[in-house]
Amino acid sequence: QQQVKQSPQSLIVQKGGISIINCAYENTAFDYFPWYQQFPGKGPALLIAIRPDVSEKKEGRFTISFNKSAKQFSLHIMDSQPGDSATYFCAALGNNKLIFGTGTRLQVFP
Amino acid sequence: KAGVTQTPRYLIKTRGQQVTLSCSPISGHRSVSWYQQTPGQGLQFLFEYFSETQRNKGNFPGRFSGRQFSNSRSEMNVSTLELGDSALYLCASSPRQNTGELFFGEGSRLTVL
Repeated sequence: QQQVKQSPQSLIVQKGGISIINCAYENTAFDYFPWYQQFPGKGPALLIAIRPDVSEKKEGRFTISFNKSAKQFSLHIMDSQPGDSATYFCAALGNNKLIFGTGTRLQVFP
Repeated sequence: KAGVTQTPRYLIKTRGQQVTLSCSPISGHRSVSWYQQTPGQGLQFLFEYFSETQRNKGNFPGRFSGRQFSNSRSEMNVSTLELGDSALYLCASSPRQNTGELFFGEGSRLTVL
């Protein structure tokens, strides 16, 4: 299965809160899992990525948690800020294709 | 370094027409991928080119085609446009193929009337 399922579709968080976006996949051939951030009118930009041999990766306020046995991975945004308001896409690389989830629109209110 | 440049940024076509979109990758990047972005569908992979050869193709009809030139610039063409082709078409470049680290342009927004 070349699908990556992403949830929720939209997320509203108060400033300072934690934003959590979840993704699940079926294809065990996937071996690289990036997250992209897209602001209105812009193309997606790579935010953070993880390989399946690592269970967690942290870069500043952004953390990826990876559960290989459950075929799930998630993005956690700590201390969410209004500037984090954007659409977030998870993705998975395998069989020479980068497959994207359907996106999560995050809105952070002051 | 200049980023990925896509032209035109916006265009309106009518059903049955064809359209050509252009992408100039980051200097030194030899791989160019194209994606279609629509609300609710996310980013759907169209194709990837590396060294002027199509390396991979998504599940789109033959009306969607592309090519890459010797300077790594790429074009995609959609023939016999349908209403459902209205979307943001994104080009992404990378220095190598088969990578999850893509650098996207701002896209070409196509509206089909």
